[in-house]
Amino acid sequence: GDSVTQMEGPVTLSEEAFLTINCTYTATGYPSLFWYVQYPGEGLQLLLKATKADDKGSNKGFEATYRKETTSFHLEKGSVQVSDSAVYFCALGSKFTLTFGKGTMLLVSP
Amino acid sequence: ETGVTQTPRHLVMGMTNKKSLKCEQHLGHNAMYWYKQSAKKPLELMFVYSLEERVENNSVPSRFSPECPNSSHLFLHLHTLQPEDSALYLCASSQDRGDYNEQFFGPGTRLTVL
Repeated sequence: GDSVTQMEGPVTLSEEAFLTINCTYTATGYPSLFWYVQYPGEGLQLLLKATKADDKGSNKGFEATYRKETTSFHLEKGSVQVSDSAVYFCALGSKFTLTFGKGTMLLVSP
Repeated sequence: ETGVTQTPRHLVMGMTNKKSLKCEQHLGHNAMYWYKQSAKKPLELMFVYSLEERVENNSVPSRFSPECPNSSHLFLHLHTLQPEDSALYLCASSQDRGDYNEQFFGPGTRLTVL
């Protein structure tokens, strides 16, 4: 079945550091790929998405590119802020199903 | 502000209680979902409704009973729960586009079963 693997956290960075959170997937067919973010005490918010190979999703300075050849969808940001501290979830979706990774906690210190 | 609201935000109940979680979406979507989020585990899809009909039920114990009276409302009825059912219960909605559905989540109900 479909699955998503994310790097273990927490990821601890200083403000303005470069961020990469790795995500790889296994899927049949051609799923869409998503990154969701969950701030403390809140539900999940869609951060960005890509619906086909080589698409790049971007939002709020975050980017991820749908790489079919490496089955990856790594999340990157050039300069993180304290306010980016949250849990990030990679997910793949088709029809009614979203398959999530376990989440990666990001902690950004001033 | 995602347009999906959930009540209550926090709930503490005993194992013999009966309670219900409520979800309402204001986005005009036609599909709604219940997820369970436990510590250290991936989100678990519990139920999916499309056009008010259940389309997926992922082996969820019968002590959880969903209800979707219309496309804007979704309930999760709880009875005789176990302490291991303590978790964050998330509701989501989407517009069925055929190939994929971008899901919008509510803030969740934090459930504690004593």
